[in-house]
Amino acid sequence: DAGVIQSPRHEVTEMGQEVTLRCKPISGHDYLFWYRQTMMRGLELLIYFNNNVPIDDSGMPEDRFSAKMPNASFSTLKIQPSEPRDSAVYFCASSLAGGLNTQYFGPGTRLTVL
Amino acid sequence: AQKVTQAQTEISVVEKEDVTLDCVYETRDTTYYLFWYKQPPSGELVFLIRRNSFDEQNEISGRYSWNFQKSTSSFNFTITASQVVDSAVYFCALSANQGGKLIFGQGTELSVKP
Repeated sequence: DAGVIQSPRHEVTEMGQEVTLRCKPISGHDYLFWYRQTMMRGLELLIYFNNNVPIDDSGMPEDRFSAKMPNASFSTLKIQPSEPRDSAVYFCASSLAGGLNTQYFGPGTRLTVL
Repeated sequence: AQKVTQAQTEISVVEKEDVTLDCVYETRDTTYYLFWYKQPPSGELVFLIRRNSFDEQNEISGRYSWNFQKSTSSFNFTITASQVVDSAVYFCALSANQGGKLIFGQGTELSVKP
């Protein structure tokens, strides 16, 4: 079975540009999570969805960040406008029936904002 | 508040040595799950184990073993006869609510030298 798929794997952009990261969860999983990994803050949850509905977005750093899940097989994380401090690895993960079950992670998107 | 502490930032061993990675957690919930993930140099996050708070039995999987002790709030990970391919960053994580926020430790970077 296919795991969590993320695209692009690498993204280099200039400050002020819009960035869109994409995620396809494991088929049948009803929870989807977006995490960010930085040297300073480690791995931190940004937002998660249950059955395509955002449940907790308290980790989203500011209004420049937004996430959507239009259907069960696709989610996007958008940064507009991007800033150099947004440079990080962004991971998408999915699980069946919540966080007490195992979250399976995608390969991540390494974002560099110049 | 929930917290995961991995006090060892870096560990270096020689191949075939045994190595233990420490993890201490904090939570007031009585139901929770603990996880270990491996992040090899390629960057993906690989699930290793999930353990619930009601099961304190130690677990062994090949060269890997886990020791869960509620009395000391610890969930330590031992690699027996380490190999170069074990070189990675290892993360301990805690989930203590149905929603699914994973609280990660800062990670332990293991370097196994030939």
